[in-house]
Amino acid sequence: AQTVTQSQPEMSVQEAETVTLSCTYDTSESDYYLFWYKQPPSRQMILVIRQEAYKQQNATENRFSVNFQKAAKSFSLKISDSQLGDAAMYFCAYRTQRQRFGGATNKLIFGTGTLLAVQP
Amino acid sequence: NAGVTQTPKFQVLKTGQSMTLQCAQDMNHEYMSWYRQDPGMGLRLIHYSVGAGITDQGEVPNGYNVSRSTTEDFPLRLLSAAPSQTSVYFCASSYNPRDPLTHEQYFGPGTRLTVT
Repeated sequence: AQTVTQSQPEMSVQEAETVTLSCTYDTSESDYYLFWYKQPPSRQMILVIRQEAYKQQNATENRFSVNFQKAAKSFSLKISDSQLGDAAMYFCAYRTQRQRFGGATNKLIFGTGTLLAVQP
Repeated sequence: NAGVTQTPKFQVLKTGQSMTLQCAQDMNHEYMSWYRQDPGMGLRLIHYSVGAGITDQGEVPNGYNVSRSTTEDFPLRLLSAAPSQTSVYFCASSYNPRDPLTHEQYFGPGTRLTVT
């Protein structure tokens, strides 16, 4: 079974600085997707960035980028120029691509989350 | 599009009561899922569906039932509520067959359930 581990329960960063959130995962599959979700106090789950395992290039979305190390099964999120609005719980998630019922299962496996505080 | 909607937003139940959490999506998504979120445990999959009439169990299915009679709706039933089911529940949907390269899961706003 796949597992996702986030070893940093809490992190803090100064406004305008850079912070990296860690995520490791365990799987025997070669084809999968990885995601970072943001959950602000509103409780809404917001997709921040995704990475396809077959792509060697690291995904980037504006101030958010990932460091995807497939062999090491590591998927860290870097937030540059941190803003007060970045304060939230961040979840790393894995999605299998196994076929079932004639289609992908599309199940997400989440880590336990990292609570990010941004200091003004 | 309203996206994924969930009702109610908050609910308090007594032990032994039953209820249904409603979830609906208007994006023509084939896949729908229910997760529960507990402190320190992230989100865990309860049940999921890959299409109307097809459901399967996730990681923590005990105490919950689902059915998928239409593409749009995926209700979650608590048969006999227990305090251990106090949690925040999220419904999610994804995969429009007309746009198969879209892999993003869209989440509803969540339902906070307290069982006393």
